[in-house]
Amino acid sequence: GNSVTQMEGPVTLSEEAFLTINCTYTATGYPSLFWYVQYPGEGLQLLLKATKADDKGSNKGFEATYRKETTSFHLEKGSVQVSDSAVYFCALKSTGSSYKLIFGSGTRLLVRP
Amino acid sequence: DSGVTQTPKHLITATGQRVTLRCSPRSEDLSVYWYQQSLDQGLQFLIHYYNGEKRAKGNILERFSAQQFPDLHSELNLSSLELGDSALYFCASSALPGTDTQYFGPGTRLTVL
Repeated sequence: GNSVTQMEGPVTLSEEAFLTINCTYTATGYPSLFWYVQYPGEGLQLLLKATKADDKGSNKGFEATYRKETTSFHLEKGSVQVSDSAVYFCALKSTGSSYKLIFGSGTRLLVRP
Repeated sequence: DSGVTQTPKHLITATGQRVTLRCSPRSEDLSVYWYQQSLDQGLQFLIHYYNGEKRAKGNILERFSAQQFPDLHSELNLSSLELGDSALYFCASSALPGTDTQYFGPGTRLTVL
């Protein structure tokens, strides 16, 4: 079945460091891929998405490229800020009739000043 | 602000009780999804409604039920509550079932004592 695997956290970085959060997926067909972010005490916010192979999603300095050959969708940011501290979820949208999102386990990012 | 509202924000109740969680989707959205976020299970899809009709079920217990009303708001009913039902319950909406992006509400935190 469809599944998403994320690197375990927490990831602790200093401000202005480079961020990579790994995400790989298993799916039939060609799912859409997403990164959602959850700030402390809040709901999920869509960060970026990609709907087909080689698409690059980007938003607020974050980027992720849909790599079908490696079934990956790694999240990157060149220079993190303290305000980026949150939990990041990789997800895929099922190509089946339910259209449900399947989430990874989440990766907590802590950015220190 | 995603435009999806959920009430109440917090709910504390006792085992064996029944509660109702409410979700109002974005004004243009016909699809509503419910998800449960717990420490041990992560984020899991529960159920999907489209324009008042149930479209798909996920890992939803028989003690749980949902419905979507003519005005498109949705309610998730949880009965015979157990300690393990304590979780964050999210509602998400999208315009059409196949539309890529699901917009999440802020969630309802349920605590069962």
